[in-house]
Amino acid sequence: AQSVTQPDIHITVSEGASLELRCNYSYGATPYLFWYVQSPGQGLQLLLKYFSGDTLVQGIKGFEAEFKRSQSSFNLRKPSVHWSDAAEYFCAVGEGGSNYKLTFGKGTLLTVNP
Amino acid sequence: DSGVTQTPKHLITATGQRVTLRCSPRSGDLSVYWYQQSLDQGLQFLIQYYNGEERAKGNILERFSAQQFPDLHSELNLSSLELGDSALYFCASSVGVGGEKYFGPGTRLTVT
Repeated sequence: AQSVTQPDIHITVSEGASLELRCNYSYGATPYLFWYVQSPGQGLQLLLKYFSGDTLVQGIKGFEAEFKRSQSSFNLRKPSVHWSDAAEYFCAVGEGGSNYKLTFGKGTLLTVNP
Repeated sequence: DSGVTQTPKHLITATGQRVTLRCSPRSGDLSVYWYQQSLDQGLQFLIQYYNGEERAKGNILERFSAQQFPDLHSELNLSSLELGDSALYFCASSVGVGGEKYFGPGTRLTVT
């Protein structure tokens, strides 16, 4: 069965610092990969997705992620974090080669210090 | 605002009771998905409906059931509630069977 691991439960960074959130997946075929963000009291918003092609994917809000098949990873990055980026971030893999059944990681809570 | 609405926002009920959560998808979306988010299990896919028909099933308990109506809104019914059913229940919608999902703000269920 497919699974997603986000090794970091909680990360704290200073505003303006760079950010990398880790995600490792387990999936037999080429995965469909996603990053979502959840702000307090809100639903999940899609930041970016990878289906195929270029392994560096650009998303909204200045985020990007890189798919590395050899490492089974899909890490999320941002060069300069803003205080409004404080939220919980979820990595997900689409099951069955499609994306209608998403398996989510446990999430990484991002705190941004001024 | 994703365009997906869920009611109620909060629900407090007792063990053994039955509740119904409602979801209205974005205009034009035919698929509705239900997810459960709890502290111990994280975010789990429960069930998907597409244009009124059940399309995919995840870790949904037998005590839970869902349906999608002709106007495309969906209801998730939870019965014989247990303390462990306390969670945030999200609805999401998409245009087709797959595709980008838009999540609603969730319904927080507390079972006492």
